[in-house]
Amino acid sequence: GQQLNQSPQSMFIQEGEDVSMNCTSSSIFNTWLWYKQDPGEGPVLLIALYKAGELTSNGRLTAQFGITRKDSFLNISASIPSDVGIYFCAGPAIQGAQKLVFGQGTRLTINP
Amino acid sequence: NAGVTQTPKFRILKIGQSMTLQCTQDMNHNYMYWYRQDPGMGLKLIYYSVGAGITDKGEVPNGYNVSRSTTEDFPLRLELAAPSQTSVYFCASSYPRTGNTEAFFGQGTRLTVV
Repeated sequence: GQQLNQSPQSMFIQEGEDVSMNCTSSSIFNTWLWYKQDPGEGPVLLIALYKAGELTSNGRLTAQFGITRKDSFLNISASIPSDVGIYFCAGPAIQGAQKLVFGQGTRLTINP
Repeated sequence: NAGVTQTPKFRILKIGQSMTLQCTQDMNHNYMYWYRQDPGMGLKLIYYSVGAGITDKGEVPNGYNVSRSTTEDFPLRLELAAPSQTSVYFCASSYPRTGNTEAFFGQGTRLTVV
C-alpha cells in the first residue's frame, strides 16, 4: 500500500527557532493534511492542502503541496513551547479517497 | 460542540477477554474510521465505514470487528484480547465533499491487555 515517509523523525530545537519538516510519498497524492498530536490527545488538523503548488498558512505554520504531488512541507516560524508535540502528515490512499494513511510522525521538542 | 466522543478513556483487559470501544459523532459525518497507535509510532487504519451499514477493512483488521448501524455510532469490538492489541485507539470521522477528506479525531482509548 501507499506509504508516507516523514523526516526528520525527531527534532530538538531552541525556543524561537524556525522548524522545517517534510513528508514524501512513493505515489501521487491529491490531498495533503498536516496534524498535530499533543501528549495524551488525539490528532488535531492544522492545515489541509488540495492543489499542487498550494501554499497555505495558519498563524506561524505554513504548509506547501509539492509540485510533483509526491511531497509536502510544513514550516513553523518562531517556535514556542506549546509547539511541542508530534506532527503527522496524512493523505487519502489511492485505493479509495476515504482511506486516510498517516506518516510515522515528527516529534518536536523545544528547549526553553 | 462534542465532535467525536470515545469511551472509555482507559481500560485494562485480561488476555482472552472481550470488549467494545464506543465511538459517536454529532457532526453528521458519513465516513468514520478506527486507528491504532502503538508507542512512538504513527496511526494504522483498522476499519473504516463510508456510511451506515457499510464497513471495510483497513491495514490491520485482524482481531477486530466493527458495525455501523447508525450514522452517529461506530463501535469497535475486540473478541479475544491479546497483548499485541495493547495500544491507543482513535476514532475519527469526516464528511468528504468534492474530494476533501479532513478527518476529526476523538481523544482516544488507551487499552492495556495483560
